[in-house]
Amino acid sequence: EPEVTQTPSHQVTQMGQEVILRCVPISNHLYFYWYRQILGQKVEFLVSFYNNEISEKSEIFDDQFSVERPDGSNFTLKIRSTKLEDSAMYFCASKVSTDTQYFGPGTRLTVL
Amino acid sequence: AQTVTQSQPEMSVQEAETVTLSCTYDTSENNYYLFWYKQPPSRQMILVIRQEAYKQQNATENRFSVNFQKAAKSFSLKISDSQLGDTAMYFCAFRANFGNEKLTFGTGTRLTIIP
Repeated sequence: EPEVTQTPSHQVTQMGQEVILRCVPISNHLYFYWYRQILGQKVEFLVSFYNNEISEKSEIFDDQFSVERPDGSNFTLKIRSTKLEDSAMYFCASKVSTDTQYFGPGTRLTVL
Repeated sequence: AQTVTQSQPEMSVQEAETVTLSCTYDTSENNYYLFWYKQPPSRQMILVIRQEAYKQQNATENRFSVNFQKAAKSFSLKISDSQLGDTAMYFCAFRANFGNEKLTFGTGTRLTIIP
């Protein structure tokens, strides 16, 4: 059964460094999402992406964040200059045109 | 804006018993979807069950069923014959039915199945 995959599973970085989190959505899916979950808290929406552009973003998704679909299979989230408060689990999700979003296993980002 | 409320931070139940997790939501939309996701210790988000608001019949998936009360904006999850593998965080989520609308999650209920 097709799955959303994410790499790396765990990323440790120094404050101020750039990180790129990678996702491979399910191949026939058209809508892509990033969510974030700070430890012990609920899952929060960051950004949605459709037809090669951002369709919606949350207040969390400020100028330090960007997304890209560079090659038709990968979907990336870049954080330009990481802060301590960016430490969280980052989930990628995708869907076709129907209702259900399928989540990847997540990338745990630790900012030191 | 939509909000989702889960008022039970933690619950525990004996193996093989039935447990019900509560969820309420607030929206001005008439057409939407509701979901329950499970997050085991591995932290992966796994879809448990979904309900379309225009369907009056409650969704069922094996041991999992929902009680959807649209007028009351209530969406509870019932787990029958609970198993040790059901131990996880359970998140209720809402999605309006248009375009690429995002999921809005509740704060979760930590469910522990006791052997």
